[in-house]
This record gives sequence, C-alpha cells and structure tokens, in this order.
Amino acid sequence: AQKVTQAQTEISVVEKEDVTLDCVYETRDTTYYLFWYKQPPSGELVFLIRRNSFDEQNEISGRYSWNFQKSTSSFNFTITASQVVDSAVYFCALSEWDSGYSTLTFGKGTMLLVSP
Amino acid sequence: DAGVTQSPTHLIKTRGQQVTLRCSPKSGHDTVSWYQQALGQGPQFIFQYYEEEERQRGNFPDRFSGHQFPNYSSELNVNALLLGDSALYLCASSSGQVISPLHFGNGTRLTVT
Repeated sequence: AQKVTQAQTEISVVEKEDVTLDCVYETRDTTYYLFWYKQPPSGELVFLIRRNSFDEQNEISGRYSWNFQKSTSSFNFTITASQVVDSAVYFCALSEWDSGYSTLTFGKGTMLLVSP
Repeated sequence: DAGVTQSPTHLIKTRGQQVTLRCSPKSGHDTVSWYQQALGQGPQFIFQYYEEEERQRGNFPDRFSGHQFPNYSSELNVNALLLGDSALYLCASSSGQVISPLHFGNGTRLTVT
C-alpha cells in the first residue's frame, strides 16, 4: 500500500532563512505522481507542484524548489529566503495508477512557522 | 472563475444526528472527491464521484454516503454521527478526462458534541 511520511512535524525559522521540508514515500507502482500542497490557516489546500515518477529533473519556481530522487524515494521541498507569508502547513501527497491518479494519499504535514 | 465552494463553513451537531455537506466544483471540472482531515493530520480520502456515480471509495464506513448532481455539484452525508467524525471536510474537484491536480475548497469544519 502507498504511504507518505513527513517526519518533520513542525519547523520554526526566522525570515530570510532557507528551509527544506522532507517527504519520503512508499509505492509498488512504477508510475505515480507526487504533489506538494500548502494549507494556510484558512484551510484551503493550495496546489504547489506535481511531479511524474518518470521525470526526475529538479524544479525551481521563484523561491521554491523541489528535489525528486527515486533512488531514495524522496521528494523534498526547499523554500529559499523564507517569508512570514510562507507560514502554513505543507503536505506531500502521492497518487497511483490504481486510482487513475485521481485520489491522493497525504502525509501528516509539516507546519512551517516563519517569524519576522 | 469561481473555485471550489463548500457550505456551510462551520457546523455543530450532536452525536447520533445526521449531517449534509455541500460542494460546487470549479468551473469545467466534472469529478468531485471528498476528504476528511482530523486535527493535526493529513486529509484522508473518503470517496469520489464522477458522472453521478461513486467511482472510488476509501476506508470509511457506510455511514458516509454521497451524491453527485447533473450539474456536477456534490453532497456528503454522514449518519449516526460520532465524536470521532469531528474534522475538517474538504471537497476537491478535477477533470475526469485528464490527469489533473485536485483543486480544493476551504472546507467545512464539523464539530460533533
């Protein structure tokens, strides 16, 4: 069965620090998708990125970057020069072939607190 | 372009009662999924509706049921409420025709007393 582990429950940093959120997953499928979502206090889950299991290229979007390594089953998320607005709970998630890639298995989330 | 909308925002019910939550998907989306998020946990998949039928279901008891209407909106019903049903219920929509990211609503906070 699929599983997503986010070992860091809570991370506190000071503004402008870089921070990396870890995600480790388990799946028996060879084709799957990985996601990161952000959940601010309002509750809505905001989509950040989707990565196909065949695409191991790292991706950068502004201050955000993602490091996907199949060899270690990890999909880590780095925020460079963090800002107070980055404070939220971040979830890593996995979808697999047997769900048509349309349902998500989430980790427990990492709460990021960025102080001024 | 309206995103996913859910109602009500908050709800307080008594153990044993029944509740109905509502969701309107993002424009252009035809698939609706429901997730339960307990405090301090990640969302857990309840079920998914496509073409007015339940297409997939997670590990939730039959007390949880749903419906999808011809306009793609959806309802989640929970019968015989338990204290453990207290959670944030999230609705997500997507397109059934392509592999697309889920778009989530703000959720309904259900408190069972």
